[in-house]
Amino acid sequence: KAGVTQTPRYLIKTRGQQVTLSCSPISGHRSVSWYQQTPGQGLQFLFEYFSETQRNKGNFPGRFSGRQFSNSRSEMNVSTLELGDSALYLCASSIGLAAYQETQYFGPGTRLLVL
Amino acid sequence: AQSVTQLDSQVPVFEEAPVELRCNYSSSVSVYLFWYVQYPNQGLQLLLKYLSGSTLVESINGFEAEFNKSQTSFHLRKPSVHISDTAEYFCAVMDNAGNMLTFGGGTRLMVKP
Repeated sequence: KAGVTQTPRYLIKTRGQQVTLSCSPISGHRSVSWYQQTPGQGLQFLFEYFSETQRNKGNFPGRFSGRQFSNSRSEMNVSTLELGDSALYLCASSIGLAAYQETQYFGPGTRLLVL
Repeated sequence: AQSVTQLDSQVPVFEEAPVELRCNYSSSVSVYLFWYVQYPNQGLQLLLKYLSGSTLVESINGFEAEFNKSQTSFHLRKPSVHISDTAEYFCAVMDNAGNMLTFGGGTRLMVKP
C-alpha cells in the first residue's frame, strides 16, 4: 500500500499570501489529522477530519482551516500568512478516529517558508 | 489539559552502548502513551504504544518503554544502539477521550561510532 502523501513537499510564500496544502491518506483510511512542527513550539495538533467532518481542533487561529473530501483526501489552508507560520506541516492518517487509539501514519510533510 | 516533558533535548551515545530517553507527562485523566521516531527529512513513524495491559511494551527494532503510573513516566530504552538509530524521538500522550495527541519537545539521539 502506498503511504501518506503530501503535496507540495516544499513551498515558499510571502507574508499576507494564502496557501493550500494537500494530503492523500493511505487507501482505506478515513481519518486525517494535521500537525504543525516548528523548532520553537515543537509538534502541535491542528485538526482532525473524519468522514468529511472536523472532529477535533487544536489551539490555532481561524486563519488555519481545512476540509476533507469524500475520497478522504484532505486540504489545509492558511490565509494571511505570517512569518511565524513557517513550519513543517505533517499530515497523518488512520483507519478510524484517533479516539479509538487508531495508529496514525504520518506523511513526509510539507515544509513552508514564509518570507 | 495534558502535557509532555522530554527532559533531554539531545542525547549523544556511542554505538553499542545502552540508552534511555526520558519522558514524563501530566494529565488529570487516564492516558495512552506513544513514542514516535523521525528520521532526517522524513515524517514520524510510530515506534511503540501503551494502551492498556502490560506496562512494558516493545518495538520490533529492540526499543522498549515502560509505563510507570506512579511516576507518570514512559521512558524509552534500548540496550545497544546502532548508528541507524540516530533520529529524533517524540513522546506523545492522548487522553482516554482520544481528543488529540500532545507531543513532547523531542529528543535528538546521536549515535557515534
